[in-house]
Amino acid sequence: TQLLEQSPQFLSIQEGENLTVYCNSSSVFSSLQWYRQEPGEGPVLLVTVVTGGEVKKLKRLTFQFGDARKDSSLHITAAQPGDTGLYLCAGDTSGTYKYIFGTGTRLKVLA
Amino acid sequence: DAGVIQSPRHEVTEMGQEVTLRCKPISGHNSLFWYRQTMMRGLELLIYFNNNVPIDDSGMPEDRFSAKMPNASFSTLKIQPSEPRDSAVYFCASSSTSGRETQYFGPGTRLLVL
Repeated sequence: TQLLEQSPQFLSIQEGENLTVYCNSSSVFSSLQWYRQEPGEGPVLLVTVVTGGEVKKLKRLTFQFGDARKDSSLHITAAQPGDTGLYLCAGDTSGTYKYIFGTGTRLKVLA
Repeated sequence: DAGVIQSPRHEVTEMGQEVTLRCKPISGHNSLFWYRQTMMRGLELLIYFNNNVPIDDSGMPEDRFSAKMPNASFSTLKIQPSEPRDSAVYFCASSSTSGRETQYFGPGTRLLVL
C-alpha cells in the first residue's frame, strides 16, 4: 500500500521557470521530509517539517506542510540545471522516525 | 569525515547464488537502516537497527533476506538464494540519537541477478 502519492511523476522545464511538486496522503504524519537524489547516489535530506502549516525556505526552494499534516508541497523558484534530480517525500506516521517514501518526482531542468 | 560506506558498489550474480551487501555507518550513529529502491516500488524500508538490535524487520520481503549488525560499525544484508526480482539498488542509511530524523544515506549497491 503506497501511503504517499507524489505528482507529477516527471517534469521537464526550462531554466528560469518556477515549479511546484506535491506529496499527498490520507494519513496524518508526525513529520515529513523532502529529499533530492541524483543519479548513482543516495538521497540527501533537504528539509524536515513537523508543524501543520509550517513553511520552510532553503534558498530558492520553499517547502510547505499542510494544515492537517497529510500533504506537502515543494516550490522551486527560477529553476536551474543543478536542480535536476529525483525529489522524494517521506512521512513518519508513528513518531518513531520510521519514514515511508513516496515514489518521487523526476525533475529535469534544461539549460 | 567519511559518510556511510557501502560495498560492493555493483554486484552481478546468477540466480540461486548468495549475495552479501555490506555497510559501515557513520561513526557515532546508533541507528542503521536498509532500503531497497526499484523503479516500480520506489524506496522501501527493509529493516532498521537501533544500538545493533533489529527493531523492525517488517519490510524484509521473505526468508531469503537476512540482516545482521554484529557491532556498531558494521552491518550486512544477505540474500540467499538470490532471484532476478531481487535486482535493485540497496541503500544503507544511519542516524544518531540526537538527530534521529536525519538519515544519511550511502551511495548504494546496484544488484543485478541474472
